[in-house]
Amino acid sequence: EPEVTQTPSHQVTQMGQEVILRCVPISNHLYFYWYRQILGQKVEFLVSFYNNEISEKSEIFDDQFSVERPDGSNFTLKIRSTKLEDSAMYFCASSEEGPGLNTEAFFGQGTRLTVV
Amino acid sequence: GEDVEQSLFLSVREGDSSVINCTYTDSSSTYLYWYKQEPGAGLQLLTYIFSNMDMKQDQRLTVLLNKKDKHLSLRIADTQTGDSAIYFCAESGSGGSYIPTFGRGTSLIVHP
Repeated sequence: EPEVTQTPSHQVTQMGQEVILRCVPISNHLYFYWYRQILGQKVEFLVSFYNNEISEKSEIFDDQFSVERPDGSNFTLKIRSTKLEDSAMYFCASSEEGPGLNTEAFFGQGTRLTVV
Repeated sequence: GEDVEQSLFLSVREGDSSVINCTYTDSSSTYLYWYKQEPGAGLQLLTYIFSNMDMKQDQRLTVLLNKKDKHLSLRIADTQTGDSAIYFCAESGSGGSYIPTFGRGTSLIVHP
């Protein structure tokens, strides 16, 4: 069964360092998403991406964050200068169609980012 | 903005029914979802309900929606140890966005 895969499963980085989280969406999907969940808090939407551009983003997704689809298979989230409060589980998701009733987004297993 | 709230933990005995509750704030929410996250896995869509429905049943799962009180519940009949997971309530359609807004998740613990 096709699935969304994320690497690494756990990343530890020093404050101020750049980090890139990687995702391989399901191959025929066109819409891609990043969410995060700080420990004990809600799963928060960060950004959605379609046709090589951001289609929607939340207030959390500031200039420190960027997304890219560098080739036909990967979808990455870059955090330029990590802060302690960026420590969270980051989920990638993809869907065949855009957000809406008949759209099911498939989620990866998450990357746990720890900023020290 | 939209807010989705759910309790953090629920513990039930195997074979009993589990009821996981959720409240949301925006009455213009169009779709409401339940996702399941098993250990080490991503969020998996379990079921969803339109805001113009009161109830939806799918095998052991029953979703009840009280739109007046903005209250959503997920009932799992004959709960099994394999149902132990985190269950996320989510809504979409409020404010014109169909990106789901999630709650914190309820950890369901099923003990023998």
